[in-house]
Amino acid sequence: QKEVEQNSGPLSVPEGAIASLNCTYSDRVSQSFFWYRQYSGKSPELIMSIYSNGDKEDGRFTAQLNKASQYVSLLIRDSQPSDSATYLCAVNAGNNRKLIWGLGTSLAVNP
Amino acid sequence: NAGVTQTPKFQVLKTGQSMTLQCAQDMNHNSMYWYRQDPGMGLRLIYYSASEGTTDKGEVPNGYNVSRLNKREFSLRLESAAPSQTSVYFCASRRDQGSETQYFGPGTRLLVL
Repeated sequence: QKEVEQNSGPLSVPEGAIASLNCTYSDRVSQSFFWYRQYSGKSPELIMSIYSNGDKEDGRFTAQLNKASQYVSLLIRDSQPSDSATYLCAVNAGNNRKLIWGLGTSLAVNP
Repeated sequence: NAGVTQTPKFQVLKTGQSMTLQCAQDMNHNSMYWYRQDPGMGLRLIYYSASEGTTDKGEVPNGYNVSRLNKREFSLRLESAAPSQTSVYFCASRRDQGSETQYFGPGTRLLVL
């Protein structure tokens, strides 16, 4: 059974701090990794995708991938109250069109 | 571009009633997906379609049928709704051809009494 695991939280950080979200996956052949953000009552929206080991930065967001350790993380710098949401980690399920989803980590950024 | 659209936004059904959830995308994407999302269960794939005329089962297909009518549209049908099908349903699409990102519609909230 291929799995993606995330700490459900809630993760609570003060405004301006760095929020660190982690995700581990079980399938070693996975090649594509995604972070989605989902506000309450809304649909998931893509924040970052990462395919190679190392860091990928986009504005205040940095995705980190370590395939040897089978984890992917998302750092949010200068966290804002508008970042309060559930963050979903998704991993491609080998050579097909499906993604395996984690259950999400709830983030609360406190003013 | 409207992206991925879903209708209806909200529906209440009685047990045993049938209904079809509609999904359309205007991004010329090849693959389309139906998910359900329940508290504590995350996103679970019901069915997906890699191209017009093809469909495949996901994790939780029982009680559902799908139709990929054309490249744009992918519908989900509940033939005899059950309270266990109360959920939020999301449609998503993916371009393929080098992109694995899935783009989601706004969702349909379904309550089965």
